Amino acid sequence: EVQLMESGGGLVKPGGSLRLSCAASGFTFSSFSMSWVRQTPGKGLEWVASISSSSRYTYYADSMKGQITISRDNAKNSLFLQMNSLRAEDTAVYHCARGFGGNSPGGMDVWGKGTTVTVSS
Amino acid sequence: SYVLTQPPSVSVAPGKTATITCGGNNIGSKSVHWYLQKPGQAPLLVMFYDDDRPSGIPERFSGSNSGNTATLTISRVEAGDEADYYCQVWDRNSFHYVFGTGTRVTVL
Repeated sequence: EVQLMESGGGLVKPGGSLRLSCAASGFTFSSFSMSWVRQTPGKGLEWVASISSSSRYTYYADSMKGQITISRDNAKNSLFLQMNSLRAEDTAVYHCARGFGGNSPGGMDVWGKGTTVTVSS
Repeated sequence: SYVLTQPPSVSVAPGKTATITCGGNNIGSKSVHWYLQKPGQAPLLVMFYDDDRPSGIPERFSGSNSGNTATLTISRVEAGDEADYYCQVWDRNSFHYVFGTGTRVTVL
């Protein structure tokens, strides 16, 4: 079964850091681009960051650029999101998602259930 | 940055047709993908490359894209179709994924 499972969320104080992880199974992880998408309480989906299959290309949303780093370990079928200088407005459920579209990014066809990040003092 | 605009809500009676629009500047030149999300669940891809349905998505779901508007149409609506729906594109000018504002579909 194709599956993505996020972990690493939690309660963090403003200015703090978190590293989210996403464990992939059931498919050849190294063949797909991967992304992080977040959803703030009661609001819509917001793309955060993406990384190509080989890690050659990374893309970041303007709202979080400079604050986050996306990375992956294809040998361990894992995706990561390092988040620094967290603010209250970063409170959200963070989903990892598998990309489709090859060299021209398309959309996301497999999603994890998400991990909750709460930024509060 | 590229913006996708959706109506906040659409209400439809069971058995009728729901039409969800996604507006964007010359969106017809981009590939549009659609997701539904039910409360507490992960998003689910229901349409890709404008009008292709993933396996397992009923034929009642169809899509189109032209000019400044992409559309997801749900025919013969069922209670189980009640969800939030989002459109999405890849903006090659900014190298950003862009999601629409989302539409809540309510089955009366």
